[in-house]
Amino acid sequence: EAQVTQNPRYLITVTGKKLTVTCSQNMNHEYMSWYRQDPGLGLRQIYYSMNVEATDKGDVPEGYKVSRKEKRNFPLILESPSPNQTSLYFCASSLGDRVAGELFFGEGSRLTVL
Amino acid sequence: AQSVTQPDIHITVSEGASLELRCNYSYGATPYLFWYVQSPGQGLQLLLKYFSGDTLVQGIKGFEAEFKRSQSSFNLRKPSVHWSDAAEYFCAVGPSGAGSYQLTFGKGTKLSVIP
Repeated sequence: EAQVTQNPRYLITVTGKKLTVTCSQNMNHEYMSWYRQDPGLGLRQIYYSMNVEATDKGDVPEGYKVSRKEKRNFPLILESPSPNQTSLYFCASSLGDRVAGELFFGEGSRLTVL
Repeated sequence: AQSVTQPDIHITVSEGASLELRCNYSYGATPYLFWYVQSPGQGLQLLLKYFSGDTLVQGIKGFEAEFKRSQSSFNLRKPSVHWSDAAEYFCAVGPSGAGSYQLTFGKGTKLSVIP
C-alpha cells in the first residue's frame, strides 16, 4: 500500500530534550516536505527536499533541522524543543519537484513540549 | 506573493443539503489550484485539482470545483452532503509549472454535518 509513515504519532516531551520525528514513504517520490498545523494558522511549510541531499527552508524553519540521506526517509529534528513548537506535524511527499501534483500526507505527529 | 483566503472558518449543514466552500486566491498568473480534505485524526487527502482546460473539475467523493478567473475563486461544491463529509477542507494554490514546494494553503474551513 502506498503510504507516508510518521513516528511517533503522539509525543510529550520537555523543553530542551532533543527529539526526532521520522518520516518514510514507499512510493519512490523525489519530493518530501514537513508542515506544521496550528489552529487558525492552517498549514505552514517547515522544510522541503527535492531529492537526496537537497533540502531547503520553508516558511517557518527556525528551531528545526532535516536531513535527506536516503530517498525514502526525511526525518525532522528538534535539537532543543520549546513550548512554541507544540503543534501537529505532517510529512508529505510527491512525485517530483517539477510536477505540481498530488501531495501524499502522513497521518500526523502531535507534539507537546512542556 | 501568492495567497489563499478561505472566508468561512466553520460551516454547519444538514445531511442531504448542498454545500459550497469558498476559496479566493491572489496570484498574478494562472495558478494551479487544489482542494484537500482532512478527516479527524488523519492527514490531508487530495479531493481535486485544476491545472488548465475545463474550469469545472470533478473530484473524489462526489465533489466538484469551479475555477472563475474573473473572481479569483475556486469554490468547492457538493450537491448532497453525507455525514462522513464532516472534516476540515483546505484550498491550496501554486504557480503554474512549479513544484509542490511552492504550494500555499488556506487556513481551512471546518465542516460540521447535522444528521
